[in-house]
Amino acid sequence: GQNIDQPTEMTATEGAIVQINCTYQTSGFNGLFWYQQHAGEAPTFLSYNVLDGLEEKGRFSSFLSRSKGYSYLLLKELQMKDSASYLCAASDSNYQLIWGAGTKLIIKP
Amino acid sequence: DVKVTQSSRYLVKRTGEKVFLECVQDMDHENMFWYRQDPGLGLRLIYFSYDVKMKEKGDIPEGYSVSREKKERFSLILESASTNQTSMYLCASSPGEDLVNSPLHFGNGTRLTVT
Repeated sequence: GQNIDQPTEMTATEGAIVQINCTYQTSGFNGLFWYQQHAGEAPTFLSYNVLDGLEEKGRFSSFLSRSKGYSYLLLKELQMKDSASYLCAASDSNYQLIWGAGTKLIIKP
Repeated sequence: DVKVTQSSRYLVKRTGEKVFLECVQDMDHENMFWYRQDPGLGLRLIYFSYDVKMKEKGDIPEGYSVSREKKERFSLILESASTNQTSMYLCASSPGEDLVNSPLHFGNGTRLTVT
């Protein structure tokens, strides 16, 4: 079946680095999205990976390994405002988006 | 910036009521979606639309219907609300012909409680 797994919750310290992992099993695969969702707000788009490798966007980077069915979101120089849930979603060859349940990231001073 | 506006942030309805959730986007996007978000679960697609008057069932359409009479507006209808429809409802839009490989623009959600 189709499945996406990501940790339920992670805690990190302000100024540090955190890696949020996402593994997926889909019927075919097109690409992997990451979204950020602050409590009570809309999810907002962070990144979309189609090819293997690391893509960097400021303090945020996203990595994809198609052969391993694995992605991660790397957040550097953590700030309190990065406290949010991070959702990964895989698009498959049947034109479906499969969503993970989200990882709640707690940043401590 | 794309703006997706959902008409209500919070709604409380009684079992059996007909409920309308409205969503409007201002960027002329072709595609619009309704999801529900429940704790511990990934977003689940209820219905989507790729053009005016076109609608397709998502993964959990039972108990819901939709309407897209104008390009900018996509309405979700709960025909007879039940307590298991208590949830956060998220509307989203995206441009172009590719329904799944374009980033989604979400509204802030409507938290619906059915008592």
